[in-house]
Amino acid sequence: QSQLQESGPGLVKPSETLSLTCTVSGGSMNTSSYYWAWIRQPPGKGLEWIGSISYTGTTYYSPSLKSRVTMNVDTSKNLFSLRLRSVTAADTAVYYCARVGASLFWGVCDSWGQGTLVTVSS
Amino acid sequence: DIQMTQSPSSLSASVGDRVTITCRASQNIYSYLNWYQQIPGKAPKLLISAASVLQSGVPSRFSGRGSGTDFTLTISSLQPEDFASYHCQQTYTNPLNTFGQGTKLEIK
Repeated sequence: QSQLQESGPGLVKPSETLSLTCTVSGGSMNTSSYYWAWIRQPPGKGLEWIGSISYTGTTYYSPSLKSRVTMNVDTSKNLFSLRLRSVTAADTAVYYCARVGASLFWGVCDSWGQGTLVTVSS
Repeated sequence: DIQMTQSPSSLSASVGDRVTITCRASQNIYSYLNWYQQIPGKAPKLLISAASVLQSGVPSRFSGRGSGTDFTLTISSLQPEDFASYHCQQTYTNPLNTFGQGTKLEIK
């Protein structure tokens, strides 16, 4: 089972860019068996799917965030990243990275990072 | 995109109670529906996949039913460790999936 770990600043100023990295250990990302996703959870609220990326770099972004999101993957370093531009207070949330089944366990998020709280504030 | 409506948003119950949480999809998602449990401060944990398949290690008091647009998660006899939040997730549009808004299960 892969282990995932988010890293990045915990505080971002309004209008700036949120940047997070997810490092994957315990298995290679270079497989078609999984996608790699970013999911967030505002304080006291539900889970929101931000987007997913394949090992080849194909991206799938939520329509509501598509204009501000970029995801990248680096299989040589076994990590993937999230950039969210022009942030506001509404982007304050715990951000999770997760492994998502692409074949046998279709869509199942079977491994998660611990989550990292990102606060948008001046 | 597919909207998932989960109800209730919060629920108070007692140890030993039977509780049911409902998740409704805005269109037919067949059985592409998973349920997760989330303890405060922790990442979600998969309980049930494909609407009704109990994950290894998950107690049998948890069960899932449904297909198409209407789904339920039932806990037959609540235990103290079950008081948590529960989330449904549709995966018909994998890898661009959506969650319900969550249900917080609290002790009465």
